[in-house]
Amino acid sequence: AQRVTQPEKLLSVFKGAPVELKCNYSYSGSPELFWYVQYSRQRLQLLLRHISRESIKGFTADLNKGETSFHLKKPFAQEEDSAMYYCALSGVRGGKLIFGQGTELSVKP
Amino acid sequence: NAGVTQTPKFQVLKTGQSMTLQCAQDMNHNSMYWYRQDPGMGLRLIYYSASEGTTDKGEVPNGYNVSRLNKREFSLRLESAAPSQTSVYFCASSGSNPETQYFGPGTRLLVL
Repeated sequence: AQRVTQPEKLLSVFKGAPVELKCNYSYSGSPELFWYVQYSRQRLQLLLRHISRESIKGFTADLNKGETSFHLKKPFAQEEDSAMYYCALSGVRGGKLIFGQGTELSVKP
Repeated sequence: NAGVTQTPKFQVLKTGQSMTLQCAQDMNHNSMYWYRQDPGMGLRLIYYSASEGTTDKGEVPNGYNVSRLNKREFSLRLESAAPSQTSVYFCASSGSNPETQYFGPGTRLLVL
């Protein structure tokens, strides 16, 4: 079965500290993985996708097929990074995304 | 360019009442989706429409119906609301890249 697990409901760090939001997935084929973010009073939006292998707002995520993980990392957290982050999986092309439970990131000054 | 719009923003229903949540997009996207967001559950797909005239069930379709009225509009109907349908409902759309979805602001629904 396809599943995305984000083990942390809440992650609290201080400004300037490194941050890693964990995401593990279960899928038998070759998935595409994504991170979506929802800032306070804003809409849910795509942050990055593993295929692009890009850094967005200082965040990167590497797909580790051996560990079935797609953790989101940033070396120095900023207060404006505070938001709800969702990891998502697309197993079959066509837009059907499977979302994780979400992790709320709180960056304290 | 409003993107994805949803109405209403907030609604309170009594058990057994019916209502329709409206969604419209102005990005000329082919695909549209309805999700529900519950604490600790993330977003779960209710129904989706890959193109005008087609709809398919998602992960949690029971208790809901949808209509893809035209390319712009995709409505979600609760025929007989239940307290378990208390949730935040999000509509989304996508274009040539289906996994890049654009979300609406959400509808908060409370069923008493």
